[in-house]
Amino acid sequence: AQKITQTQPGMFVQEKEAVTLDCTYDTSDQSYGLFWYKQPSSGEMIFLIYQGSYDEQNATEGRYSLNFQKARKSANLVISASQLGDSAMYFCAMRPFSGGYNKLIFGAGTRLAVHP
Amino acid sequence: NAGVTQTPKFRVLKTGQSMTLLCAQDMNHEYMYWYRQDPGMGLRLIHYSVGEGTTAKGEVPDGYNVSRLKKQNFLLGLESAAPSQTSVYFCASSPWTGGSAQPQHFGDGTRLSIL
Repeated sequence: AQKITQTQPGMFVQEKEAVTLDCTYDTSDQSYGLFWYKQPSSGEMIFLIYQGSYDEQNATEGRYSLNFQKARKSANLVISASQLGDSAMYFCAMRPFSGGYNKLIFGAGTRLAVHP
Repeated sequence: NAGVTQTPKFRVLKTGQSMTLLCAQDMNHEYMYWYRQDPGMGLRLIHYSVGEGTTAKGEVPDGYNVSRLKKQNFLLGLESAAPSQTSVYFCASSPWTGGSAQPQHFGDGTRLSIL
């Protein structure tokens, strides 16, 4: 079965600290992609970062990095120097390459609250 | 930069009524998708389209129909609305992937309540 698991329904962090949001995945595909999206309270879905299964280096985009551990099937999102505007829902998603239409499988999400 | 535009943004229906949600994208993307988002369940795929004139079922297609008569538009229809279809609906689009992965671009969502 292809599945994304986000075990943390809610997290909180102090402003300016780093936080890690967990994501584990299950797939039999050898090739796949992993995404993180942010959903602020306004509701839109914002693409943050992407990691391919054959990428040797962890992906980084500004304050976001993806801690990819292939053997453990985990793709945790690390946000450095948290800001109040980082308060949002965060979704991990997987694109198994066996799907022909850029299929995305989403986790249930983690709600992050950044405290001043 | 419009990207993906969904109309309407909010709607309240009575059980048994019908309605159509419209999605329009201006990025010339081949693929388009309709999702529903329910609390604690993330996004679930309802239907998708890999090109003009084509549609296919996703994970939760029952009670919905779709059409893609033009490449830029993807319509989601509810023929006879039920309270279980109360949800937030998202449309998304992505380019042809050619075996790689491309992020999907999302609209702002439609909040639909069925009484």
